[in-house]
Amino acid sequence: GAGVSQSPSNKVTEKGKDVELRCDPISGHTALYWYRQSLGQGLEFLIYFQGNSAPDKSGLPSDRFSAERTGGSVSTLTIQRTQQEDSAVYLCASRPPGGGTDEQFFGPGTRLTVL
Amino acid sequence: DQQVKQNSPSLSVQEGRISILNCDYTNSMFDYFLWYKKYPAEGPTFLISISSIKDKNEDGRFTVFLNKSAKHLSLHIVPSQPGDSAVYFCAASRYNAGNNRKLIWGLGTSLAVNP
Repeated sequence: GAGVSQSPSNKVTEKGKDVELRCDPISGHTALYWYRQSLGQGLEFLIYFQGNSAPDKSGLPSDRFSAERTGGSVSTLTIQRTQQEDSAVYLCASRPPGGGTDEQFFGPGTRLTVL
Repeated sequence: DQQVKQNSPSLSVQEGRISILNCDYTNSMFDYFLWYKKYPAEGPTFLISISSIKDKNEDGRFTVFLNKSAKHLSLHIVPSQPGDSAVYFCAASRYNAGNNRKLIWGLGTSLAVNP
């Protein structure tokens, strides 16, 4: 079956430009997470969507970052006026409904480079 | 405030020997722990997990041990194989308000298994 997909796989942009990163979660998964991993660092939580509940935005580093999830499926992470420190791999993960095991299924990530 | 700590950024072992990766946590409310493996240019993949009601979980060559009194868990890989070379992340979760089971991640340990 199809796993979590992310696009683009690589994005190079100039400082000050806006970027949009896309995540297609596994069908039927109700929870969706965005993380980023900067060079040599661990996974930094950004935002979490769970069904129709209000998203947990507590990890977004600034108001330049926003995300939406349309129709409970595809999610888009938008970074406005990109800065060089935004360069990182942005990872999306989804989780099936139910208490389960908390296992999150990750996409391959989008590598963002801000010049 | 790192609630999940992996104090060894890297580990090198010989093929066939045991690899032991350690993880410490500070929040006694964590009730589920997971290990993920990450290869370069790929998203993390789930490896093994353990509930706080257990002290050991085994899956093939992988065993996770949990010592709640010490707030410590470890992942044992035996025998280690060159294909196990990857970054290993420890993650923990707790049931907080709003059914938001957010994983808290360590910074990872890079394991190199030498032939």
